[in-house]
Amino acid sequence: DTGVSQNPRHKITKRGQNVTFRCDPISEHNRLYWYRQTLGQGPEFLTYFQNEAQLEKSRLLSDRFSAERPKGSFSTLEIQRTEQGDSAMYLCASSLDRGRVGEEAFFGQGTRLTVV
Amino acid sequence: GNSVTQMEGPVTLSEEAFLTINCTYTATGYPSLFWYVQYPGEGLQLLLKATKADDKGSNKGFEATYRKETTSFHLEKGSVQVSDSAVYFCALSLNAGGTSYGKLTFGQGTILTVHP
Repeated sequence: DTGVSQNPRHKITKRGQNVTFRCDPISEHNRLYWYRQTLGQGPEFLTYFQNEAQLEKSRLLSDRFSAERPKGSFSTLEIQRTEQGDSAMYLCASSLDRGRVGEEAFFGQGTRLTVV
Repeated sequence: GNSVTQMEGPVTLSEEAFLTINCTYTATGYPSLFWYVQYPGEGLQLLLKATKADDKGSNKGFEATYRKETTSFHLEKGSVQVSDSAVYFCALSLNAGGTSYGKLTFGQGTILTVHP
């Protein structure tokens, strides 16, 4: 297994366009997370899936953002009508819920979005 | 709400110097605590963790002790190397009923640069 994979690595888009990012988690992991990271800040939680069910969405996630995880495998994050404030690194992470505390999350390298 | 505060950076040290990066947290209940590291050009990866009070996490010569009385999880290393240059993030995840919620709350990150 090569770890968590995110595509594309970089995306430049014009304001108002829609963009979609893909995340392929580690294959046996049942939990998948999306985070957003801006320069000089730590990652901020956006949303979380347990298998195919989206269990939590941050208040940061406006109606322009939507995420899916069909069949509990890969996930997509779509941003509609992008704004300059959406420019950030979008991180995906996955983990295996073993029913224990201290669960380790494995992160992808991220997709850097620039809205011009 | 839950939050993590890290010491302001960046931190610049000479090789073999002693490192401390302070981290304090605010959380409801009893969280698990983590240090993640991001090396240049790579994704976030777990450095160490602790899941209950007075636990010490350690890895690659780094240590951090879960101090419930001071709500702290300071990262230390006795002798840093140039290869330790990276961004370090303190994080927490909440637990309930012996299992992890999984979602991470991060500090803002501390940039460490080690000179030969």
